[in-house]
Amino acid sequence: QSVLTQPPSVSAAPGQKVTISCSGSTSNIGNYYVSWYQHFPGTAPKLLIFDNNQRPSGIPDRFSGSKSGTSATLGITGLQTGDEADYYCGTWDNSLSAWVFGGGTRVTVL
Amino acid sequence: QVQLVQSGAEVKKSGSSVKVSCTASGFTFTTYAITWVRQAPGQGLEWVGGVNPVFGTSNYAQKFQDRLTITADEYTGAAYMELSSLRSDDTAVYYCARVPPTMLIGNYYLGMDVWGPGTTVTVSS
Repeated sequence: QSVLTQPPSVSAAPGQKVTISCSGSTSNIGNYYVSWYQHFPGTAPKLLIFDNNQRPSGIPDRFSGSKSGTSATLGITGLQTGDEADYYCGTWDNSLSAWVFGGGTRVTVL
Repeated sequence: QVQLVQSGAEVKKSGSSVKVSCTASGFTFTTYAITWVRQAPGQGLEWVGGVNPVFGTSNYAQKFQDRLTITADEYTGAAYMELSSLRSDDTAVYYCARVPPTMLIGNYYLGMDVWGPGTTVTVSS
């Protein structure tokens, strides 16, 4: 059972938009920045979003992040087949004194 | 080119120990923290622990506290994760990841910006 809660899967047609939610509490999301990671199984995860809504260099603006209270959201617009991957939110948790990940969300392009 | 190079796959017996290395390339190792994350078959990402060479401190996920040691060697530019008393459910791909100074507040993290390719650790009985 993950400390951060994500939906197991989301799907949409090519060109459409998906959003992935990440729900936590005041001991984690409520007090710390959230980051998001894209993971193709068998490869290294990639940082997509940091500080809630900032994109590293090279990440297209089709990917966006937001945070409100104890929840965060990742948005992907203009969905492409190459976006089919697992997506994880992560943040620090001060009651656990540990980094925590969400359970991951599989994005499927229909 | 900024990258993290990890040691090769390991096959271990239950009850033994494994030590995985993560060597920095293309950046100044001592200004970054290194954290370890694992993914067991069919499971999600799980934080294992990390080391902050700046302060010389390590922190671990509670479930690994009594059998995990993470260290960093500034001279070799490498971090090491040693897990003892291995069990079958320790079978996983272990990734190291870099925490840049802008994402490091004392001993807690705001994110990881560069990841290693992963090291597969298989524990058999």
